[in-house]
Amino acid sequence: AQKITQTQPGMFVQEKEAVTLDCTYDTSDQSYGLFWYKQPSSGEMIFLIYQGSYDEQNATEGRYSLNFQKARKSANLVISASQLGDSAMYFCAMRETLNTGNQFYFGTGTSLTVIP
Amino acid sequence: AAGVIQSPRHLIKEKRETATLKCYPIPRHDTVYWYQQGPGQDPQFLISFYEKMQSDKGSIPDRFSAQQFSDYHSELNMSSLELGDSALYFCASSHIRGSRFFGPGTRLTVL
Repeated sequence: AQKITQTQPGMFVQEKEAVTLDCTYDTSDQSYGLFWYKQPSSGEMIFLIYQGSYDEQNATEGRYSLNFQKARKSANLVISASQLGDSAMYFCAMRETLNTGNQFYFGTGTSLTVIP
Repeated sequence: AAGVIQSPRHLIKEKRETATLKCYPIPRHDTVYWYQQGPGQDPQFLISFYEKMQSDKGSIPDRFSAQQFSDYHSELNMSSLELGDSALYFCASSHIRGSRFFGPGTRLTVL
């Protein structure tokens, strides 16, 4: 089974609007971490936001917030007031902490295009 | 703030040649990870090092090897390059259970 599922291969959003990028995960671990990364066309992988499985509050970082619904195993990224520079691939990722080490899984990504 | 440094940023090689990619982690990060990202794909984990010892191994081909040195920088050595090795290679660093910060990547093209 896929550890991280991103069902939206591509999304469009109008500039200044908010957009939600979906991410669901599959784990039986009690302790895990969820991450979102942005990858612009330049190729670099930029860390955006982190949510720990025990964090009761949703993580926020500037215009980014993570809508964490533990029971549903979802960790959607919300970008408010979209900007043209937000156009990029967005990857959801999960870290499981196992006795043998820690495993890190990426989703297949969502390509976001911000329209002027 | 200091970020992960990778060199070179771009590399062009021919089939059957060798390549060495370098990674300098964020200071005081104890874990280094290597990933390979093919065109249109998500990053695939290759190998990681914790405190200079190999800590985990992913889908790294036998033709590839890596190590972490005493100054914590890491090198990914790739031999007998194949066309399919053309990809973006990322290095990331973290504290052992912290957020992973990625370098800018090395874009390898094998001709």
